[in-house]
Amino acid sequence: AAGVIQSPRHLIKEKRETATLKCYPIPRHDTVYWYQQGPGQDPQFLISFYEKMQSDKGSIPDRFSAQQFSDYHSELNMSSLELGDSALYFCASSRPPQNTEAFFGQGTRLTVV
Amino acid sequence: AQKVTQAQTEISVVEKEDVTLDCVYETRDTTYYLFWYKQPPSGELVFLIRRNSFDEQNEISGRYSWNFQKSTSSFNFTITASQVVDSAVYFCALSGGIGTGGFKTIFGAGTRLFVKA
Repeated sequence: AAGVIQSPRHLIKEKRETATLKCYPIPRHDTVYWYQQGPGQDPQFLISFYEKMQSDKGSIPDRFSAQQFSDYHSELNMSSLELGDSALYFCASSRPPQNTEAFFGQGTRLTVV
Repeated sequence: AQKVTQAQTEISVVEKEDVTLDCVYETRDTTYYLFWYKQPPSGELVFLIRRNSFDEQNEISGRYSWNFQKSTSSFNFTITASQVVDSAVYFCALSGGIGTGGFKTIFGAGTRLFVKA
């Protein structure tokens, strides 16, 4: 079965650079979620989109922005990167109310040096 | 507000021992969902189980079993006859509500399980 695809899997950026993470949800899933997991921490909800509109917002820094496109894929844009942005970024997708869970991608590991 | 508490930060056991990972949750939703995920060193989140708030039946899947008790807001996870491959971080998680907003997931802090040979 198709899963959530995230790209790239690994990314190394320098401080103050910009990074773009991509997420391709499971086909027919219309809701996408982004999570950030710092070292030794639990995943923290950043933002979600339903039908291309932002549906919920968590602790997402102002330097980050995200959107969901007409084909339902989503991109997380991160500017002025800081060392503290080094983390594992997960994307998940679902199709509520049919789905009672979100399906997670394998994550993108971002390292800021 | 929703909250998930995993009081055990780390647990170390010897292979073949049974181990229980505790999870306590808080929510005001009447309909909610509880999950357990395994995160091996490679980093991906491996889905283990989902339980909805109306189903308090315990579940067993091989060496894994789950005990959901609404009265104590707990959703504990037991691994029987643990193996080295069970070494990982285990997250208990909660999502609530239905509708077009989707299912934002709140995670506990995780319990790191070490299984020694």
